[in-house]
Amino acid sequence: GQQLNQSPQSMFIQEGEDVSMNCTSSSIFNTWLWYKQDPGEGPVLLIALYKAGELTSNGRLTAQFGITRKDSFLNISASIPSDVGIYFCAGLGNSGNTPLVFGKGTRLSVIA
Amino acid sequence: DGGITQSPKYLFRKEGQNVTLSCEQNLNHDAMYWYRQDPGQGLRLIYYSQIVNDFQKGDIAEGYSVSREKKESFPLTVTSAQKNPTAFYLCASSPGGHTEAFFGQGTRLTVV
Repeated sequence: GQQLNQSPQSMFIQEGEDVSMNCTSSSIFNTWLWYKQDPGEGPVLLIALYKAGELTSNGRLTAQFGITRKDSFLNISASIPSDVGIYFCAGLGNSGNTPLVFGKGTRLSVIA
Repeated sequence: DGGITQSPKYLFRKEGQNVTLSCEQNLNHDAMYWYRQDPGQGLRLIYYSQIVNDFQKGDIAEGYSVSREKKESFPLTVTSAQKNPTAFYLCASSPGGHTEAFFGQGTRLTVV
């Protein structure tokens, strides 16, 4: 099936630093979603993007829907220890007949 | 409270036995999904259902079976034909068609 390329695979950062991660696809998507998964739990939806160029914030998190509709970015400002986890991007295609496609995730570690 | 409930949280089975994982939602969502997650891997789609009494295979359906007799329930059976069943299994649902998915807490299955 379709695949999303998510990078980086993992990040180690100091508390207080800003974080950026991105997701790219060879296909156009109508919706981009960002999830966070804590260890041993199910992913939780952080931000949903529905329009090319859209920039949406949720507290210290900001995500953008790329103009080409083939990429999306997630930024976390002033990271804190509870930001630790795996962040997944997901995309929904044009047809609406296929389920979400997920990236492989970015594992974030925050050093206090 | 509204949500998606997976049970049990941890499950141990002997090799060669079938096992059924439960997933119930009280969100009145039409679509339900099963994903498998292995360490360092993303979420791989096993089966999905958009309506009662109908379901489709995902990317890794071999060795698994599902049923959708009620809107709120979508159990997954891991059969003895699944070569490597030990994994973290996630159930999700979405309101109508393929839109944002909301996840349960997951079931960690260990086959010994």
